[in-house]
Amino acid sequence: DARVTQTPRHKVTEMGQEVTMRCQPILGHNTVFWYRQTMMQGLELLAYFRNRAPLDDSGMPKDRFSAEMPDATLATLKIQPSEPRDSAVYFCASGLLLGGYTFGSGTRLTVV
Amino acid sequence: AQTVTQSQPEMSVQEAETVTLSCTYDTSESDYYLFWYKQPPSRQMILVIRQEAYKQQNATENRFSVNFQKAAKSFSLKISDSQLGDAAMYFCAYPSSNTGKLIFGQGTTLQVKP
Repeated sequence: DARVTQTPRHKVTEMGQEVTMRCQPILGHNTVFWYRQTMMQGLELLAYFRNRAPLDDSGMPKDRFSAEMPDATLATLKIQPSEPRDSAVYFCASGLLLGGYTFGSGTRLTVV
Repeated sequence: AQTVTQSQPEMSVQEAETVTLSCTYDTSESDYYLFWYKQPPSRQMILVIRQEAYKQQNATENRFSVNFQKAAKSFSLKISDSQLGDAAMYFCAYPSSNTGKLIFGQGTTLQVKP
């Protein structure tokens, strides 16, 4: 079965450091999402792309977060500088418009 | 604005019994899809079932079925013959036909008692 691959699975970093999370969407999927999940806020949409073009990143703190799709096989989410409140599980998902979206296994980020 | 609401934060069911999880949504679109995702303790998000709004027949996948009421904007998930492995958080989700944005409900945590 095709999978969405996220790396790293776990990341522990110190406050102020840069964090980069990577996602390899399923080949042929034209829509890619980044979500953040915390106990308090649930699933929050941070950004999403269609055909590599950013459609909406209004859920992202612009001063420290950035999301890009340099090519069809890679999506990245960067946090610089990281803060303890960024600790969460970050999910990438890919799919076709109106199709079922497939999620990666997530990156568990801990900022100390 | 498009919204998805799950009003049951937690539910429990006895093993082998049936449980129904509720979901309501709001949209002005006429053609769309609705999804139920399962998130077990492993945190992997798994697509359980999908319903197409223009189909009157309720979707079914083995022990999972939906009760789709388009006029009422209701999309509930029924799990029959509940198993211990069904214990998870369940999310109702709606992808906007116009934007493709995937909107999730707050989630319902399902406990299955042996």
